[in-house]
Amino acid sequence: SAVISQKPSRDICQRGTSLTIQCQVDSQVTMMFWYRQQPGQSLTLIATANQGSEATYESGFVIDKFPISRPNLTFSTLTVSNMSPEDSSIYLCSADRGGWGETQYFGPGTRLLVL
Amino acid sequence: AQKVTQAQTEISVVEKEDVTLDCVYETRDTTYYLFWYKQPPSGELVFLIRRNSFDEQNEISGRYSWNFQKSTSSFNFTITASQVVDSAVYFCALSDLSLSYNTDKLIFGTGTRLQVFP
Repeated sequence: SAVISQKPSRDICQRGTSLTIQCQVDSQVTMMFWYRQQPGQSLTLIATANQGSEATYESGFVIDKFPISRPNLTFSTLTVSNMSPEDSSIYLCSADRGGWGETQYFGPGTRLLVL
Repeated sequence: AQKVTQAQTEISVVEKEDVTLDCVYETRDTTYYLFWYKQPPSGELVFLIRRNSFDEQNEISGRYSWNFQKSTSSFNFTITASQVVDSAVYFCALSDLSLSYNTDKLIFGTGTRLQVFP
C-alpha cells in the first residue's frame, strides 16, 4: 500500500483566484490520479499524471483550468484556476504502482469552498 | 459502455444488524477488476477489497464479506453485526481494459451511505 498526504486539507477561496493542491506519496509510484468529488456525489477522474510526461485529461476537463505537475515519482500538484463557486468540491489524489488492475490508494482529500 | 450501479442511495440500520450493499456493473470485457472503498465522514477513501474477474470465490475479512457473481454482474458487500464505526459512504468501482490500455482508470458507482445507529 501507499500512504498519501495532501495539502491543504481545506481552504476557502474567492472566485477568480487559483489554488494549488499538493499530493505527496511515501514511496515511488508510477501512476498518480486526480479526482473531483462534488458535494454528495461520486468521484470523477480529472486526469492521470505520469512522471515526465504531460497529464492525460478526461473529457470535460482541460489543462488551462486544471494544470497538473508531476516532477518526480512521489509528488504531484493540481491547480484549480480562475475558480468559481461551481469548483467547490473535494479534490482527491490517488496513486498506484502502475499496470492495469493495480489498487489505487487515496489521499485524505482537499475540501475547497469557493465564495 | 462501462457502468457501476449502486441502487441503494442510503441505508439505515441499528447496531448489530447485518447489512448488504449492492453493486451491479456493466462491462464488455471478460477481464476486469472490481473494488470497494469506504469513505468515512473525514473524507478519505479507504481501500477494502480488489477482485479480478477470474476469481469468483467469495471473500470474508472479519465482519466484512463479498459475494461476486459474474452471472448477475454483481459484487455485493455484506457487513455482519454492524457497528457505529461502519457509518460511511461505500463506493464500488470497476476497472477494465477498454477504459484505458495501460492505466487503471476506475469508474465509480454513486455510492451508498450507510448509517448505523446505536
